[in-house]
Amino acid sequence: DQQVKQNSPSLSVQEGRISILNCDYTNSMFDYFLWYKKYPAEGPTFLISISSIKDKNEDGRFTVFLNKSAKHLSLHIVPSQPGDSAVYFCAASAMGGGSQGNLIFGKGTKLSVKP
Amino acid sequence: DTEVTQTPKHLVMGMTNKKSLKCEQHMGHRAMYWYKQKAKKPPELMFVYSYEKLSINESVPSRFSPECPNSSLLNLHLHALQPEDSALYLCASSSVSNYGYTFGSGTRLTVV
Repeated sequence: DQQVKQNSPSLSVQEGRISILNCDYTNSMFDYFLWYKKYPAEGPTFLISISSIKDKNEDGRFTVFLNKSAKHLSLHIVPSQPGDSAVYFCAASAMGGGSQGNLIFGKGTKLSVKP
Repeated sequence: DTEVTQTPKHLVMGMTNKKSLKCEQHMGHRAMYWYKQKAKKPPELMFVYSYEKLSINESVPSRFSPECPNSSLLNLHLHALQPEDSALYLCASSSVSNYGYTFGSGTRLTVV
């Protein structure tokens, strides 16, 4: 059973426009959510996170929205740049586990930003 | 220093070989992790070390043996691997608050 789902394997956006990446989860115990960006042949890079006590977190061009009732989160990138082209992973954990919390990853969405 | 450094970047080994993957961080993180990533799949957790003690082993076969000699170093000893163990092995670290794992760039392992 997939606890973290990214239903769109790929997304193509024009440079300067908004990229919206979506993520759904099924485990109501998840209370901390993260987005990672991964370039080919590199490890994932932490991008932005949100705790379940918030519904929005913003960092520069990146904003994560959390809808707990729908068990849905999304990552907005505005404006999109060609350098944003990468695979984006959504991840979730139950923070009550502290450093032992297991990060559950979605399968990723490949974002292509075209000049 | 805000990086997790993994060596080697690439490794080809035979099924009878013994090799080790190394991971190092100097961010003062007291939790360190090994992940395995197959092509086009998300990383899968293998081991978690918390304060240099193994706290999670996700039912990993014994041919993978982790070691945490000190708070900055994490090793993964490999012995008698199978071709299906070929993957990208990622090390990560985090503070004990579990905020924002920092991943290394990985070791690309090929078992022949």
